[in-house]
Amino acid sequence: KAGVTQTPRYLIKTRGQQVTLSCSPISGHRSVSWYQQTPGQGLQFLFEYFSETQRNKGNFPGRFSGRQFSNSRSEMNVSTLELGDSALYLCASSTQGAGTGELFFGEGSRLTVL
Amino acid sequence: QQPVQSPQAVILREGEDAVINCSSSKALYSVHWYRQKHGEAPVFLMILLKGGEQKGHEKISASFNEKKQQSSLYLTASQLSYSGTYFCGTERSGGSNYKLTFGKGTLLTVNP
Repeated sequence: KAGVTQTPRYLIKTRGQQVTLSCSPISGHRSVSWYQQTPGQGLQFLFEYFSETQRNKGNFPGRFSGRQFSNSRSEMNVSTLELGDSALYLCASSTQGAGTGELFFGEGSRLTVL
Repeated sequence: QQPVQSPQAVILREGEDAVINCSSSKALYSVHWYRQKHGEAPVFLMILLKGGEQKGHEKISASFNEKKQQSSLYLTASQLSYSGTYFCGTERSGGSNYKLTFGKGTLLTVNP
């Protein structure tokens, strides 16, 4: 069974640019959650999607957005990048959603903003 | 509200035991534990539900004290493979809001 796939794995952007990250969940999983991981803050919840609907959103500015497609694949977008957006962005898939069972994490997309 | 994990870091020799704590100021419905090895994705260890259930995973077990809103992860007879960062994720009481709030993590290093 294929795991959670995130692309790209690494990317470098400059301040002011925007970036789109992709997450393909495990087959059959309808929930995708996104987390920002930084050394000082650990894992910070961004948002969760289930069957194309956002069910919850973390405390991030509106520059951070996401969506989910009918095949459960999800994308997140960050516009007007800031230096502080440099982080590892992890997505996790599950059958019913975070809190209801095991989350399966991808290896992440490491974003560096210069 | 982010749960507080302690200690922030711990160094063990192979075969020693360790306890990692996770405390919340809010009433919790469940606590989830994950381990992340360097450069890898976090991996699920266990879920503890309100009611004080104690779950086990290999030589790793955990408890959940509902009154104190605290969970403890017990690693006994540690192995080199236990090295990594341990995260607790909490879900607040009131039903699932499909969101886990993670602590900042505890870095565990097991040396030979």
